[in-house]
Amino acid sequence: DTAVSQTPKYLVTQMGNDKSIKCEQNLGHDTMYWYKQDSKKFLKIMFSYNNKELIINETVPNRFSPKSPDKAHLNLHINSLELGDSAVYFCASRTETGELFFGEGSRLTVL
Amino acid sequence: AQKITQTQPGMFVQEKEAVTLDCTYDTSDQSYGLFWYKQPSSGEMIFLIYQGSYDEQNATEGRYSLNFQKARKSANLVISASQLGDSAMYFCAMREGRGDNFNKFYFGSGTKLNVKP
Repeated sequence: DTAVSQTPKYLVTQMGNDKSIKCEQNLGHDTMYWYKQDSKKFLKIMFSYNNKELIINETVPNRFSPKSPDKAHLNLHINSLELGDSAVYFCASRTETGELFFGEGSRLTVL
Repeated sequence: AQKITQTQPGMFVQEKEAVTLDCTYDTSDQSYGLFWYKQPSSGEMIFLIYQGSYDEQNATEGRYSLNFQKARKSANLVISASQLGDSAMYFCAMREGRGDNFNKFYFGSGTKLNVKP
């Protein structure tokens, strides 16, 4: 069983479109994250939710809107996609002792 | 200031030899956690090892050990007996212990390790 699963794994779309990435964890963790990994492999935190409540929002454009319907799910919706949004997006969940478990990543390519 | 610094963008090591990947961190917190993650070419992020700031012993997990030097604020990863499958990108990360920062992880820029046969 995959602990943190993201869909889709690959996403190719045109500029201006809207897309969503879904994330689910079956670990029972309270806290989930979205990270963006750019072409230089730098990992930057975007959002964090704790029990469906937004606790971290790191100066991300408001075209990005996370949604957590329950503590096992954290989805990311992106409006009006731009070329610079091309990246790998990682979902992660956190144990009580602080370890992060990552999903497999979703590679978004904006043309 | 950078919270996590990895000064080696790329490294080579001969198979079966040991290799040390450097990581320094910057925090004023007394309570924090240090982590290493491996990212193979397939792209997933794999947790390797964890060191808490109050842990007196260096963490070890199989062939991985974390050389924790608190006064120097360094948390180097040592991989013993390198294998071809160790070729990957390695990220050092820190979780600070207070308030909102407890939920925030900072990642270094990564070190790409190549293991030569």
